[in-house]
Amino acid sequence: AQKVTQAQTEISVVEKEDVTLDCVYETRDTTYYLFWYKQPPSGELVFLIRRNSFDEQNEISGRYSWNFQKSTSSFNFTITASQVVDSAVYFCALKDYGQNFVFGPGTRLSVLP
Amino acid sequence: DVKVTQSSRYLVKRTGEKVFLECVQDMDHENMFWYRQDPGLGLRLIYFSYDVKMKEKGDIPEGYSVSREKKERFSLILESASTNQTSMYLCASSLGSTFEPQHFGDGTRLSIL
Repeated sequence: AQKVTQAQTEISVVEKEDVTLDCVYETRDTTYYLFWYKQPPSGELVFLIRRNSFDEQNEISGRYSWNFQKSTSSFNFTITASQVVDSAVYFCALKDYGQNFVFGPGTRLSVLP
Repeated sequence: DVKVTQSSRYLVKRTGEKVFLECVQDMDHENMFWYRQDPGLGLRLIYFSYDVKMKEKGDIPEGYSVSREKKERFSLILESASTNQTSMYLCASSLGSTFEPQHFGDGTRLSIL
């Protein structure tokens, strides 16, 4: 069965610190996609990245980077030099064939000034 | 940019009322979804639709129904609202392809008194 685990319920950091949000997934399919979404206090989930199961290259977008490791079934998200505007709930999600999206429970990140 | 619009940000209703939550998307997406979000539980899928007049049950359909008379509009109906349906409701849409990301509305925070 599909499952997404985000073991960190809440994280607090001070501005400019680096922070990594963990995501571990389970699926029997060999073809699947992983996603990260950000939910700021305003409520709307904002799509950040999609990664397919055949592409294990790390990705960097500005201060954001993602580390995908199939060997450990993990898709971790790192924010470098965090800012107050990064404060949000972050969701990891999994999509494989024939199933709907499965979301993790989310990690609430608080970046303190 | 995709725009998913939910009719209300906040809604207060009474037990036993019939409640309608409306969602409209402007990007001609085939797929539309309704989730509820509760602390610690992440997003749980209530219903989804892959085409006009088509609907499928998600993980927690009990107490809800949906309507999709037009491609751009997907309505969630609480037939007889109960206090355990107090939650944040999120609507999403996506293109027809299996692995396209979902795009979300701002959410409706519904309180049932």
